[in-house]
Amino acid sequence: GAVVSQHPSRVICKSGTSVKIECRSLDFQATTMFWYRQFPKQSLMLMATSNEGSKATYEQGVEKDKFLINHASLTLSTLTVTSAHPEDSSFYICSARGEGNYNEKLFFGSGTQLSVL
Amino acid sequence: KQEVTQIPAALSVPEGENLVLNCSFTDSAIYNLQWFRQDPGKGLTSLLLIQSSQREQTSGRLNASLDKSSGRSTLYIAASQPGDSATYLCAVYNQGGKLIFGQGTELSVKP
Repeated sequence: GAVVSQHPSRVICKSGTSVKIECRSLDFQATTMFWYRQFPKQSLMLMATSNEGSKATYEQGVEKDKFLINHASLTLSTLTVTSAHPEDSSFYICSARGEGNYNEKLFFGSGTQLSVL
Repeated sequence: KQEVTQIPAALSVPEGENLVLNCSFTDSAIYNLQWFRQDPGKGLTSLLLIQSSQREQTSGRLNASLDKSSGRSTLYIAASQPGDSATYLCAVYNQGGKLIFGQGTELSVKP
């Protein structure tokens, strides 16, 4: 099956710093990537949808200036948490979909555990 | 607004039992429904995908059914094993192009 690589798997940072998380589709071109956030014992909440070459679409309540998403190529999307605060500590997961087919499975990265001190 | 609910939230069974996990969704206008497995601190593994026109899918000991008109899906796990212990997530791909998740069922299979 298709592989989505997410890096880093775990990051600890100081409050006020910025953290970048990368999501790569290794063996297919991902026209659309999704970023999710997951708190302990809770489900995945969609943060934003990014399409290659265009601005991301953010879900209601997600601050676009805080969570910067870039999808500059068909194999790479990045999420940057700017000026991180302890309340941003969470598990972030990306997923990717191939070109145009809603009937394909979505493939997920292995997630990034962010801890802000 | 699509809402996905999973029951039960947690389940503990002895090894060898057959079990059923339930998922319901409020808007039947979906492209497909997927069942995922998530191990603690890990990403998601897709188990089964059922297209909106299908009634069920099978993979090994897993069988997923879909009744779109009633907004329900079940995941049946036969002859459960300790290695099946994980959180199982149901998600529907709605016609807005978004995958909406339920809150998951945390399964524990005791040896």
